[in-house]
Amino acid sequence: GAVVSQHPSRVICKSGTSVKIECRSLDFQATTMFWYRQFPKQSLMLMATSNEGSKATYEQGVEKDKFLINHASLTLSTLTVTSAHPEDSSFYICSAREPGLYGYTFGSGTRLTVV
Amino acid sequence: AQKVTQAQTEISVVEKEDVTLDCVYETRDTTYYLFWYKQPPSGELVFLIRRNSFDEQNEISGRYSWNFQKSTSSFNFTITASQVVDSAVYFCALSSGNTGKLIFGQGTTLQVKP
Repeated sequence: GAVVSQHPSRVICKSGTSVKIECRSLDFQATTMFWYRQFPKQSLMLMATSNEGSKATYEQGVEKDKFLINHASLTLSTLTVTSAHPEDSSFYICSAREPGLYGYTFGSGTRLTVV
Repeated sequence: AQKVTQAQTEISVVEKEDVTLDCVYETRDTTYYLFWYKQPPSGELVFLIRRNSFDEQNEISGRYSWNFQKSTSSFNFTITASQVVDSAVYFCALSSGNTGKLIFGQGTTLQVKP
């Protein structure tokens, strides 16, 4: 089946630095990818929709200058958390639409801790 | 607007009991898709089932079964003879419209005690 690889799985960074998270579709082309954030004991909140070759569409309340999304190829989307702060500490997970099926494949998630 | 409501925040059962997780959804679209996912402590999402709005047949897969009722906008999930390994957070999700966005409910934490 379709596989989405997400890296890194865990990252600890200092406040004020930037962190890049990669989401790669391994055996299919993903024209659309989605980025979610999940705080402890909460649901997955959609942050943005990433379309290959175009600007991402951000959900209301998500700072696009802080969460930079790049979907430069059909197999790779990246989320960069710029000038990270402790409140950005969360679990970030990406998802790609499966080709030919109305389904979604999820990455394994990235646990970001900002100290 | 799309919305998914899982009213049960936490459920605790004893092993071998049956348990039903409720899911109520809202959408104005006539074509939509409903999903259930399991999220163990590792964080990865495990796909359980997908159902489209035109298929109201209930489904059984081993100890799992799903009851889809459009009349009440519900898509409930039942685990029969629960096991400790079923302990996880379960999410119901909805996708409708042209954007393809998948919207999640609040999740239900299921604890199965031995």
